[in-house]
Amino acid sequence: LAKTTQPISMDSYEGQEVNITCSHNNIATNDYITWYQQFPSQGPRFIIQGYKTKVTNEVASLFIPADRKSSTLSLPRVSLSDTAVYYCLVEPRGNQFYFGTGTSLTVIP
Amino acid sequence: GAVVSQHPSWVICKSGTSVKIECRSLDFQATTMFWYRQFPKQSLMLMATSNEGSKATYEQGVEKDKFLINHASLTLSTLTVTSAHPEDSSFYICSAKGGFSGNQPQHFGDGTRLSIL
Repeated sequence: LAKTTQPISMDSYEGQEVNITCSHNNIATNDYITWYQQFPSQGPRFIIQGYKTKVTNEVASLFIPADRKSSTLSLPRVSLSDTAVYYCLVEPRGNQFYFGTGTSLTVIP
Repeated sequence: GAVVSQHPSWVICKSGTSVKIECRSLDFQATTMFWYRQFPKQSLMLMATSNEGSKATYEQGVEKDKFLINHASLTLSTLTVTSAHPEDSSFYICSAKGGFSGNQPQHFGDGTRLSIL
């Protein structure tokens, strides 16, 4: 199973950039890295997905180094509404994957 | 796009009752659907994976006779908790994936809060 390791929690002030790093040392060649956001009592929501280098969309950026053993989700200028749990997931073709502990982000006014 | 609808959003019932939860992909065909269970302040735990028209694959420790999964069409999967007991109370979440390639992300429903009295 492609296990992941993330910090359990992070705090940030409003307006700052937040970077959350995930380790996935045993990622396989065909695996993609996907990040999800979850609010209490809701299902996770897709944020961004990447394979290598850098991917950017309207809400976040994803940085993946050449060895792909880690990835960093970057949230620019966070607001109070970004307080949530963030999960990184390595998704191989075989549908065998593992949701790690996630990172609980608290944005402070 | 990529909307997954899950019903009901919450259910309270007596011990011994069977409860059915529906998961529908509204605007795409879901080749694979997943069922998760989540306890308070914990991560999602995969229970089973189902592909349309075939039997579900259950994770180790999940009783297939207790948690019946049916994926009869490309847009609908159901989870039935049979003879539910208080220890089955949890937050159940489904997700769906279109296509067979590894780069299709999962799209999640909003979960079902199940409380067994």
